[in-house]
Amino acid sequence: GAVVSQHPSRVICKSGTSVKIECRSLDFQATTMFWYRQFPKQSLMLMATSNEGSKATYEQGVEKDKFLINHASLTLSTLTVTSAHPEDSSFYICSARDGGQDYNEQFFGPGTRLTVL
Amino acid sequence: GQNIDQPTEMTATEGAIVQINCTYQTSGFNGLFWYQQHAGEAPTFLSYNVLDGLEEKGRFSSFLSRSKGYSYLLLKELQMKDSASYLCAVMDSNYQLIWGAGTKLIIKP
Repeated sequence: GAVVSQHPSRVICKSGTSVKIECRSLDFQATTMFWYRQFPKQSLMLMATSNEGSKATYEQGVEKDKFLINHASLTLSTLTVTSAHPEDSSFYICSARDGGQDYNEQFFGPGTRLTVL
Repeated sequence: GQNIDQPTEMTATEGAIVQINCTYQTSGFNGLFWYQQHAGEAPTFLSYNVLDGLEEKGRFSSFLSRSKGYSYLLLKELQMKDSASYLCAVMDSNYQLIWGAGTKLIIKP
C-alpha cells in the first residue's frame, strides 16, 4: 500500500517558538493532503486541506496565520505551528490522497506528537 | 448538519465476535470508511464501502445500507491485538471525510 511519512514523530518546544512538521508521500503522487489534529480521547479534527500548488483551505475556527501550510510539490506538504502555546499541544496527523486511485482512500502518516511547555 | 454516530466503548471476549455500528447523516455520500487506531498511533485503513452489502476481508467484514444511513464493522475471532479505537468516516459530496468520534474496543481474555 501507499506510504506516508511524517517528521518529526515527537517534538517538545518552548512557548512562543515555531514548529515545522513535514508530511511526505513516499511512493505515490499526492494531489491532495490533509492535516488533522487529535486531542486525547477525541476523534480526528480536520484542520485544512491542501492541493499541490495552491493555497490551503482551512476549516472553520482554524487560524491560517497560526497554522501555515505549504504544499509545494506532489510529495511534500508542511505544517508550521507559529508561536506555539501549550493549548497547541496535540497529536498532528497528515494524510494524502493518491490521485491515481479509483476511489478516494486517504493514507495516513504516523503522526507528530507536539508538546508545548 | 453532518453527523456520524457510533458507540463510545464496547467490550468483548477474546475469540468472540463483535459488531460495531455506525449511523450517518451527511450532505452527499461518496463512500464509507472504517479505520483502526491504536493509542498514540495514526489510523490505519480497514475497509471501504460505496455500494450496499457486505465486504469481507479476513476476520473483518463491513456492511453498508445507504437507504438507512447505516454501516457496521464485524470482527470475528477476536484477538487481544484488536483492542483499539475503530473510526467510522463518511466521504461527503465534496469528497471530504466526516469522522465519527470512534469506538474504543476492549478485548478481555
